[in-house]
Amino acid sequence: DAEITQSPRHKITETGRQVTLACHQTWNHNNMFWYRQDLGHGLRLIHYSYGVQDTNKGEVSDGYSVSRSNTEDLPLTLESAASSQTSVYFCASTERVPGELFFGEGSRLTVL
Amino acid sequence: QKEVEQNSGPLSVPEGAIASLNCTYSDRVSQSFFWYRQYSGKSPELIMSIYSNGDKEDGRFTAQLNKASQYVSLLIRDSQPSDSATYLCAVQGGRTGTASKLTFGTGTRLQVTL
Repeated sequence: DAEITQSPRHKITETGRQVTLACHQTWNHNNMFWYRQDLGHGLRLIHYSYGVQDTNKGEVSDGYSVSRSNTEDLPLTLESAASSQTSVYFCASTERVPGELFFGEGSRLTVL
Repeated sequence: QKEVEQNSGPLSVPEGAIASLNCTYSDRVSQSFFWYRQYSGKSPELIMSIYSNGDKEDGRFTAQLNKASQYVSLLIRDSQPSDSATYLCAVQGGRTGTASKLTFGTGTRLQVTL
């Protein structure tokens, strides 16, 4: 079955470290998204991509970057982790926009 | 004003009752509306989408959309304990440059009691 997987599922890091969260989908969807979810804020869009070599900033993109070198993967990089980036991160993909988003299982990141 | 507003709850309903979840949005030209269910510690999953005014039914779920009032709701009939979750309303923007942006509400926590 096609799926979307995230890794690591849990990570603890220190302030200032670079962190990369991986996202891999096997649906061959062109559209991929990264969200963070925090209590009281809901899901907020960090970055998104409509295809290979395409990346766009979402509403909370400061301190984050993404790259899209193939259809299947959209890694999210925190260049210098800050405590404010402690959150649960969800990757999602969809065949068409608008359309159903398929979410990964989430990556819980703690920055100490 | 938040772009998508939901009452955080918890909304408590007895088993077998109708649960009514509400959502308002600020962008008048929004065109696509979604309800996602999220169990604690899990990822969201789509349960309903609605694109035009009126009602859309799928099993025990009914989505209602009123674009004039900028209001979308989800009714769950014959509520079951397994419906206990957080329900996220999501709205897809319609203005130029925002067509791709899906904005989520903070969610309403539903508790179905025995």
